[in-house]
Amino acid sequence: EVQLVESGGGLVKPGGSLRLSCAASGFTFSSYSMNWVRQAPGKGLEWVSSISSSSSYIYYADSVKGRFTISRDNAKNSLYLQMNSLRAEDTAVYYCARVFSSGWLDYWGQGTLVTVSS
Amino acid sequence: DIQMTQSPSSVSASVGDRVTITCRASQGISSWLAWYQQKPGKAPKLLIYAASSLQSGVPSRFSGSGSGTDFTLTISSLQPEDFATYYCQQANSFPPYTFGQGTKLEIK
Repeated sequence: EVQLVESGGGLVKPGGSLRLSCAASGFTFSSYSMNWVRQAPGKGLEWVSSISSSSSYIYYADSVKGRFTISRDNAKNSLYLQMNSLRAEDTAVYYCARVFSSGWLDYWGQGTLVTVSS
Repeated sequence: DIQMTQSPSSVSASVGDRVTITCRASQGISSWLAWYQQKPGKAPKLLIYAASSLQSGVPSRFSGSGSGTDFTLTISSLQPEDFATYYCQQANSFPPYTFGQGTKLEIK
């Protein structure tokens, strides 16, 4: 069974940092591109970042470029999102999601809540 | 970036009804469109990909159609578990993936 489990969310002050993790199991993690998608409270879905299976290709939304860093450790079946210079508008539930075929997100974690507030 | 616009933003319907949700892309995306279902407090679930392909395990009452700029998600006979919010997503022009704003399907 495919499972994605996020962790690392919490309350952080504006300007602070946080590192999210996503532990994958039930599939060959090293064969799939992975994404982070977020959802602000009561709002829609926003793609945040993507990393290819071997970390050769990395992409970011303009809203987080220069502040967030996506990475992965295929030996540990884990995906990460380092978030720096956090702003109030980064407050959201952050989901990790597996990419199926050419851009479809077929498995999602349960999400981890990041709250940026003083 | 390609903008995705869903209509309506919300819809009320009864169990057994046929419901159609529309998604329009700001430019042509061929068939690079997916539909997701999200229930409160839960992660999104992939229903349809490549505009009309049913994801494994998804009931056949869900169907998708369209290409280019205009797409539809149809639920042929609403069941109680279908009341949720639905999102479309384009994967033609990446980055970024872009989502529609969502359509909330409520019980009448």
